[in-house]
Amino acid sequence: QSVLTQPPSVSAAPGQKVTISCSGSSSNIGNNYVSWYQQLPGTAPKLLIYDNNKRPSGIPDRFSGSKSGTSATLGITGLQTGDEADYYCLTWDSSLSARVFGGGTKLTVL
Amino acid sequence: EVQLVESGGGLVQPGGSLRLSCAASEFTFSNYWMSWVRQAPGKGLEWVANIKQDGSEKYYVDSVKGRFTISRDNAKNSLYLQMNSLRAEDTAVYYCGRDRIMDVWGKGTTVTVSS
Repeated sequence: QSVLTQPPSVSAAPGQKVTISCSGSSSNIGNNYVSWYQQLPGTAPKLLIYDNNKRPSGIPDRFSGSKSGTSATLGITGLQTGDEADYYCLTWDSSLSARVFGGGTKLTVL
Repeated sequence: EVQLVESGGGLVQPGGSLRLSCAASEFTFSNYWMSWVRQAPGKGLEWVANIKQDGSEKYYVDSVKGRFTISRDNAKNSLYLQMNSLRAEDTAVYYCGRDRIMDVWGKGTTVTVSS
């Protein structure tokens, strides 16, 4: 049971937009940066968003991140079948003195 | 190309030990915190441990405290995870990653704890 809560699954049609939430508390999201990762089947995770809303070079602007209070959100626009993957949020938890991942969200592009 | 390559995984009996290694290349290893992350079969990602640039600070997930030890050798551009008293629930793919933002990951090494 993760301290960060993500919906187990989300789905949308190609070309549409989807958002994935990550809910935490003041000891984690509320006072620390959030990053987001995409994991395609059988591969290592890939950084999509860091420091709440920054994109590494090479990540298209279809991917965006935001944070408000103790929740963070990953947005993906112009969905493509290649976006089907598991998505995870990650932050530091000051009470646990540990990094924590969300439970992960499986995105299905119908 | 910036790269991390894990090694040392394998099959081990419950109660046994393994030492994982992670070799870094094409970046200044000593400038970065480094982490280990694992993923049990069919499960999500779980952060395991991380270590400061000079090794002076180390943090662990509760489930491995007292059993796992993270270390590094900056002269060899290498990160390690010594795993003792292994349990079935430690079975996973273990990834090393370049902290703070985990922007570089290895491909992982598989650890199976079974009799």
